Amino acid sequence: AQSVTQLGSHVSVSEGALVLLRCNYSSSVPPYLFWYVQYPNQGLQLLLKYTSAATLVKGINGFEAEFKKSETSFHLTKPSAHMSDAAEYFCAVKKAAGNKLTFGGGTRVLVKP
Amino acid sequence: DGGITQSPKYLFRKEGQNVTLSCEQNLNHDAMYWYRQDPGQGLRLIYYSQIVNDFQKGDIAEGYSVSREKKESFPLTVTSAQKNPTAFYLCASSDLLQGGSETQYFGPGTRLLVL
Repeated sequence: AQSVTQLGSHVSVSEGALVLLRCNYSSSVPPYLFWYVQYPNQGLQLLLKYTSAATLVKGINGFEAEFKKSETSFHLTKPSAHMSDAAEYFCAVKKAAGNKLTFGGGTRVLVKP
Repeated sequence: DGGITQSPKYLFRKEGQNVTLSCEQNLNHDAMYWYRQDPGQGLRLIYYSQIVNDFQKGDIAEGYSVSREKKESFPLTVTSAQKNPTAFYLCASSDLLQGGSETQYFGPGTRLLVL
């Protein structure tokens, strides 16, 4: 079975500092990979997804993620944190066959002024 | 505006009661999904449907039931057999793409609380 590990359930960053959220997956073949963001009491919004084209994927709100097959990782970064980035972030993986998305446990980001 | 709507936003259940959560989409998506979200556990798949009048169990289907009578609607019933129903429930929908690269889009969620 696939699994997704997000290192750190909580991350605190200063406004203007780098945001780095880690995601590792277990899969025997390169899957499709997604990052979603969730604001309090809301649904999930897609930030970006990897579908085997470019390994560096750019998303909305200045976020990007790099797929590294050798490390089975898909870490999310943003060069400069903004107060509006305070939210919970979820990494998810999907096999080519089937509909199932497998989610990591989420990382809550706190942005300090 | 195209999107996914869920109602109600908050729902209270009494002991032994069945409750139904509504999910409607106007994105013309073939597939619809129900997830349960608990703090620190990410999202877990309850049921999904790829076509009208057909659906499959996900990882935690016990105590839940669904129907798919119309393409745009996928209601979830939380039955009295679900002993710990307090959670945030999210509905999603997607196209079905050859190669499997489709994106799931999520509704705003329903928070279910037990009285």
